[in-house]
Amino acid sequence: RKEVEQDPGPFNVPEGATVAFNCTYSNSASQSFFWYRQDCRKEPKLLMSVYSSGNEDGRFTAQLNRASQYISLLIRDSKLSDSATYLCAVIPYTGGFKTIFGAGTRLFVKA
Amino acid sequence: SAVISQKPSRDICQRGTSLTIQCQVDSQVTMMFWYRQQPGQSLTLIATANQGSEATYESGFVIDKFPISRPNLTFSTLTVSNMSPEDSSIYLCSVPGTDATNEKLFFGSGTQLSVL
Repeated sequence: RKEVEQDPGPFNVPEGATVAFNCTYSNSASQSFFWYRQDCRKEPKLLMSVYSSGNEDGRFTAQLNRASQYISLLIRDSKLSDSATYLCAVIPYTGGFKTIFGAGTRLFVKA
Repeated sequence: SAVISQKPSRDICQRGTSLTIQCQVDSQVTMMFWYRQQPGQSLTLIATANQGSEATYESGFVIDKFPISRPNLTFSTLTVSNMSPEDSSIYLCSVPGTDATNEKLFFGSGTQLSVL
């Protein structure tokens, strides 16, 4: 089983739609969770951290479910510019710096 | 956030040759990370480059194949040695951010390597 797993998609949604991605992780002791965004032929960039209480940044909401060992990203009112690959990332060890990435979920937002 | 300059941005190489990728950061960082991203796959950590000591390699990666230098706190190189077509990939350097936990990563723009 991979340490971090994501549905590769692609998700094809119209502008204005709400779309959600899930990511599961295998190490129950994992402490830190993130979503990164990667545009085509570009480097990944941090989108948001995922806190135990959940967090929201504009149209983006991230949540953590420790019991089921998954994190989610919800995008509301999708824009064309949201088209990208979204990478789930987990730091599996407390105090560690090694970040494990999922393979990414591709999102296409169409007009 | 750190500003990271990585070069070359891309290269096409013959099998059996070696390529050295450079990563320059605009601030001093204790750790630098080297990742590989093969087509359609996730980022895989190759090694952690520590200043003043040998790099720490992940399972499946060895120093002879991917020697790393870290001469100071702002610079690192990764060499892909004796290349084969299977080494065709994007290679990315990364540094932790300066927030309290140093857990967020910032990436260089990547080196797209094609081995013929």
